[in-house]
Amino acid sequence: GDSVTQMEGPVTLSEEAFLTINCTYTATGYPSLFWYVQYPGEGLQLLLKATKADDKGSNKGFEATYRKETTSFHLEKGSVQVSDSAVYFCALGNAGGTSYGKLTFGQGTILTVHP
Amino acid sequence: DVKVTQSSRYLVKRTGEKVFLECVQDMDHENMFWYRQDPGLGLRLIYFSYDVKMKEKGDIPEGYSVSREKKERFSLILESASTNQTSMYLCASSPGQGHTIYFGEGSWLTVV
Repeated sequence: GDSVTQMEGPVTLSEEAFLTINCTYTATGYPSLFWYVQYPGEGLQLLLKATKADDKGSNKGFEATYRKETTSFHLEKGSVQVSDSAVYFCALGNAGGTSYGKLTFGQGTILTVHP
Repeated sequence: DVKVTQSSRYLVKRTGEKVFLECVQDMDHENMFWYRQDPGLGLRLIYFSYDVKMKEKGDIPEGYSVSREKKERFSLILESASTNQTSMYLCASSPGQGHTIYFGEGSWLTVV
């Protein structure tokens, strides 16, 4: 079945540091890939997505490129801020069959950014 | 803006109680989902629904049931709550395959 593996956390960075959170996946067909973010005490919200190979999703300074050859969708940001402290989830949605758009999530990576 | 509303943010229930978690979405979405979130395990799908009165099991349906009598409302039911069901429950909806899934703020359930 489909699965998503994220780098283990937690990740602790100083403000303005470079961020990478690794995500790899296993799926049949041609899934869409997503990054969701969860701020403290809140539900998940979409950060960015990519629907086909070589697509780059971007939002709020974050970027991720859909790499089919390495089955990866790593999240990057050039300069993190304290307000980026949150839990980040990588997810895939397989459009095939009777998936009905449900997503398979990774285990989440806790990011803490210090001033 | 899409809004997915979960009626209870924090609940404390006793072992063996029947628990209802309610979720309402205001965007006429076809699909609705219930996930459970636990540290180190990410989100795991309990049940989903692709139409009124239609439901499908997710990855961890044991101990849960669902009800979708109206398109906008999707309820999660714990028939007899147990301590291992203490968790954060997230409801979500989407218009269909390949579209963004929108989440509610979550319901923290503690079973004592």
